[in-house]
Amino acid sequence: GDSVTQMEGPVTLSEEAFLTINCTYTATGYPSLFWYVQYPGEGLQLLLKATKADDKGSNKGFEATYRKETTSFHLEKGSVQVSDSAVYFCALASRSNDYKLSFGAGTTVTVRA
Amino acid sequence: DAGVTQSPTHLIKTRGQQVTLRCSPKSGHDTVSWYQQALGQGPQFIFQYYEEEERQRGNFPDRFSGHQFPNYSSELNVNALLLGDSALYLCASSLGGVQGVYEQYFGPGTRLTVT
Repeated sequence: GDSVTQMEGPVTLSEEAFLTINCTYTATGYPSLFWYVQYPGEGLQLLLKATKADDKGSNKGFEATYRKETTSFHLEKGSVQVSDSAVYFCALASRSNDYKLSFGAGTTVTVRA
Repeated sequence: DAGVTQSPTHLIKTRGQQVTLRCSPKSGHDTVSWYQQALGQGPQFIFQYYEEEERQRGNFPDRFSGHQFPNYSSELNVNALLLGDSALYLCASSLGGVQGVYEQYFGPGTRLTVT
């Protein structure tokens, strides 16, 4: 079935450092890909998405490009802030899975001042 | 404009008991999906309600059931609670049934502890 694999955390960075969180997927057909963020004590928020190959999703300085050839959707941010400390989830939805969201295990990111 | 709200915030139950969790979707949304998030894990899809019917279901036993009301709010019921049911239960609202997966809004969740 469809699945998502994220790089394991936790990840600890200093402010203004570059952040990359790797995400690869397995799916039948052409899934849509998402990054969600969960701040401490809160529910999930959609950070960005991409619905077809080579699409780039972006929001709040974060970017991810849908790479069909490498089945990847890596999340990047050029200069992180303390407020970016959160758990980040990669997810996919596809027609073959009736558009049910499948999430990765999450990557905890801590940014230190 | 109120977002997705869930109640209660926290709940402690004993094995074998039954529990009901509640969700009010974001204004204008007609679809509610429920997820279980075990500690340190990603959310797992339980089921989705649209037009007062269960439209999709994940790999959860029949002990998990739900309901959607005419005002689009929803309940999640879990019978015969097991220790393994301890988790954060998330509700997400969207518009238009399965196509709403592209824009889901999550509530803060209900933390269920089974002792």
